[in-house]
Amino acid sequence: NAGVMQNPRHLVRRRGQEARLRCSPMKGHSHVYWYRQLPEEGLKFMVYLQKENIIDESGMPKERFSAEFPKEGPSILRIQQVVRGDSAAYFCASSPQGADTQYFGPGTRLTVL
Amino acid sequence: QKEVEQNSGPLSVPEGAIASLNCTYSDRGSQSFFWYRQYSGKSPELIMFIYSNGDKEDGRFTAQLNKASQYVSLLIRDSQPSDSATYLCAVNYNFNKFYFGSGTKLNVKP
Repeated sequence: NAGVMQNPRHLVRRRGQEARLRCSPMKGHSHVYWYRQLPEEGLKFMVYLQKENIIDESGMPKERFSAEFPKEGPSILRIQQVVRGDSAAYFCASSPQGADTQYFGPGTRLTVL
Repeated sequence: QKEVEQNSGPLSVPEGAIASLNCTYSDRGSQSFFWYRQYSGKSPELIMFIYSNGDKEDGRFTAQLNKASQYVSLLIRDSQPSDSATYLCAVNYNFNKFYFGSGTKLNVKP
């Protein structure tokens, strides 16, 4: 049973470019969460999604960031016009319906030059 | 603003000793509590979760929850060098919304 998958594992972008981060939840999991972690800091909640629905996006910056979890395919976290401050590790976690235990993917390390 | 507080450490313990990690949270409405271990450069790995007051044991790990005092702790018995990592406390508010502490770095010295 494959765990949570994220790709790419490392992503380098220049300022102003777009970054697309993908997350495939564990089999049977319908809830996806995105977190951001800066070096030596804890995880900051960004967004919580179920299939085709954004449940809670209170942790998402108001501009440039968006997330989706379509009926088919992985969840996508999209960052437009990246800036150096967006450099961080972005983790995706998933949980099954009705449960609150989250399992994390390996993360995507985004570096903005 | 919901807060989850942890001492950043580092907490240093000798091999074989008991490591005690603590976490406090601000909202009495919190429903469930989690401990994750994170090695440097890796993703968080779930160690334990606890919902009710008291102790919950799993192998060398014991989670303790005191809702009246709003704290949750993790005890690691017979600490091993491989336990050296950052331990993250997470609190679930309002079902499926999680807040993480900044983590406590544990060093277990051989």
